[in-house]
Amino acid sequence: DIQMTQSPSSLSASVGDRVTITCQASHHVSNYLNWYQQKPGKVPKLLIFDASKLETGVPSRFSGSGSGTDFTFTINSLQPEDIATYFCQQYDDLPPTFGQGTKVGIK
Amino acid sequence: QLQLQESGPGQVKPSETLSLICTVSGASISSSSYYWGWIRQPPGKGLEWIGNIYYIGDTHYKSSLKSRVSISIDASKNQFSLRLSSVTAADTAVYYCAGIPRPGIAAPGTFYWGQGTLVTVSS
Repeated sequence: DIQMTQSPSSLSASVGDRVTITCQASHHVSNYLNWYQQKPGKVPKLLIFDASKLETGVPSRFSGSGSGTDFTFTINSLQPEDIATYFCQQYDDLPPTFGQGTKVGIK
Repeated sequence: QLQLQESGPGQVKPSETLSLICTVSGASISSSSYYWGWIRQPPGKGLEWIGNIYYIGDTHYKSSLKSRVSISIDASKNQFSLRLSSVTAADTAVYYCAGIPRPGIAAPGTFYWGQGTLVTVSS
């Protein structure tokens, strides 16, 4: 199985800060990499697909980059409503595997 | 738009079998573009893939669950199902069914999730 190593596991930042999360795959996954936001009790919400494409309706402060094994997710100008857990997911190969998640809080 | 909906008991007794059904709407379960899978999330923890099935019946299971899990498909009802036997408290989780896109075949950005259903293992 492809292992997805996501860091950090948690972070706190101020409103307006830039937040960066990284995800490293144990094997090449091309650009078949999604980023999700999950709030407690909710279904994961797709924010970024194909590593860098913004899902329709998602604010432009969210972005993704990378290809192959190294990926980055960025929130430009953190907002209070962005408090959530974020995780990466590859689906280049079965099984689809997930990063451990990053819990984002506000200072 | 493809949609998935889980159904099944919210509570199962220890040592019994957990059974869930996922109903697919908006697309045929016989589509060659998707695998149909189950993913779970224990309370406060991360996501764990359980297994998936392709429309022709090919299955793939998480190795640590392989002896207890079975996924099947009913194309006539556009449904697929999960059975997990000999459950313990460690199987308590929100269970999601999912449409897993085949890379380069399914449309980009189309990893579909059901709403999730909490299954509690308790006597």
